[in-house]
Amino acid sequence: GAVVSQHPSRVICKSGTSVKIECRSLDFQATTMFWYRQFPKKSLMLMATSNEGSKATYEQGVEKDKFLINHASLTLSTLTVTSAHPEDSSFYICSASLLAGSTDTQYFGPGTRLTVL
Amino acid sequence: AQSVTQLDSHVSVSEGTPVLLRCNYSSSYSPSLFWYVQHPNKGLQLLLKYTSAATLVKGINGFEAEFKKSETSFHLTKPSAHMSDAAEYFCVVSDRGYNNNDMRFGAGTRLTVKP
Repeated sequence: GAVVSQHPSRVICKSGTSVKIECRSLDFQATTMFWYRQFPKKSLMLMATSNEGSKATYEQGVEKDKFLINHASLTLSTLTVTSAHPEDSSFYICSASLLAGSTDTQYFGPGTRLTVL
Repeated sequence: AQSVTQLDSHVSVSEGTPVLLRCNYSSSYSPSLFWYVQHPNKGLQLLLKYTSAATLVKGINGFEAEFKKSETSFHLTKPSAHMSDAAEYFCVVSDRGYNNNDMRFGAGTRLTVKP
């Protein structure tokens, strides 16, 4: 149980285009979803916390107009990288949590590798 | 805010010998602590978690960790390393009782297992 999927697993795009990454909880309803970014050989950096039906909460230094997050249902959150540039190339990982307002285990997706040419 | 420090960026052991990956945490509340493993180009897999029950936590693949409040530590151990244990390991802290269950990751420890 508690499986999280991401699509696509890998994407290559041209500079200036927008890319959408989907995160789905397959066998549970995720009240809260998280988006992380991981640079090569580095740790995960939390980008934003997303609650179903409300606006995402972004971490300091993360541009909300650059990284659009939509959490339209309890099983789906999307991250759109708008007008992507080479410096946006990274490994993006989402996670989903079962309970709201309390600490609970996060279940992580397999990640999406974005390469911007 | 909560944080973790993984004391070693790289640990190398021989197959069959014990593994020790060190982690110290800082938390304003009663923390939940986790260890995750990441194999190359893969997602994160939960090894084990501590959420205020038994201080010695047993996880998958023979790993265990002990929560020591007096030392603010949560070190990960395994009695005998296997080649398949080679991966990146992350110690993670999350403040319990705080209405925001975001997790803070350590910098990671890369475990190498020599034949």
